[in-house]
Amino acid sequence: DTGVSQDPRHKITKRGQNVTFRCDPISEHNRLYWYRQTLGQGPEFLTYFQNEAQLEKSRLLSDRFSAERPKGSFSTLEIQRTEQGDSAMYLCASSLGAGEQFFGPGTRLTVL
Amino acid sequence: EDQVTQSPEALRLQEGESSSLNCSYTVSGLRGLFWYRQDPGKGPEFLFTLYSAGEEKEKERLKATLTKKESFLHITAPKPEDSATYLCAVQTTNAGGTSYGKLTFGQGTILTVHP
Repeated sequence: DTGVSQDPRHKITKRGQNVTFRCDPISEHNRLYWYRQTLGQGPEFLTYFQNEAQLEKSRLLSDRFSAERPKGSFSTLEIQRTEQGDSAMYLCASSLGAGEQFFGPGTRLTVL
Repeated sequence: EDQVTQSPEALRLQEGESSSLNCSYTVSGLRGLFWYRQDPGKGPEFLFTLYSAGEEKEKERLKATLTKKESFLHITAPKPEDSATYLCAVQTTNAGGTSYGKLTFGQGTILTVHP
């Protein structure tokens, strides 16, 4: 049984660089979510996909952020021109329909 | 706007000392309320989903309950391994009853259980 996996687990980058994260959901799950979590806070919704369609995107999400799920399986989240405020844990979750969301281990991003 | 507030922010217990965590919510339409456990540096681990007022779910030393305005996570005779951050989240519906996919989380309660 494989749960949600994320790669890389840690990423350190310099301000202004682009970064890309990957998420592989539980195989039979059709929905995939991205959240961001900063220290001492609960996860904050970024965007989600049903199959390959991006159904909702947070109004707070900068246009420097883009996500794709091209074949309805894995997803990538790209952050362009990173800023220090982008430092956070980026979490991916998947679900079957609107059911329980199962989270991956997260990617911790540090922007220097 | 949907709001979720958890209290207390932190709770320190002695092993065996039972207590409750609170999650208050304000939403337009509730589809479900979710409880998660999160260990440091890891992703949240699913515990329970509650869908309607009066519903209860149990798992080992944990019991979750739901009213129209709040949910409680009761911890009976906790052990040190129950130490973690406990998160609650809501999933809502629009006026037509269609579910939004996203979860809106509270800030969490940090539980520490001392031996």
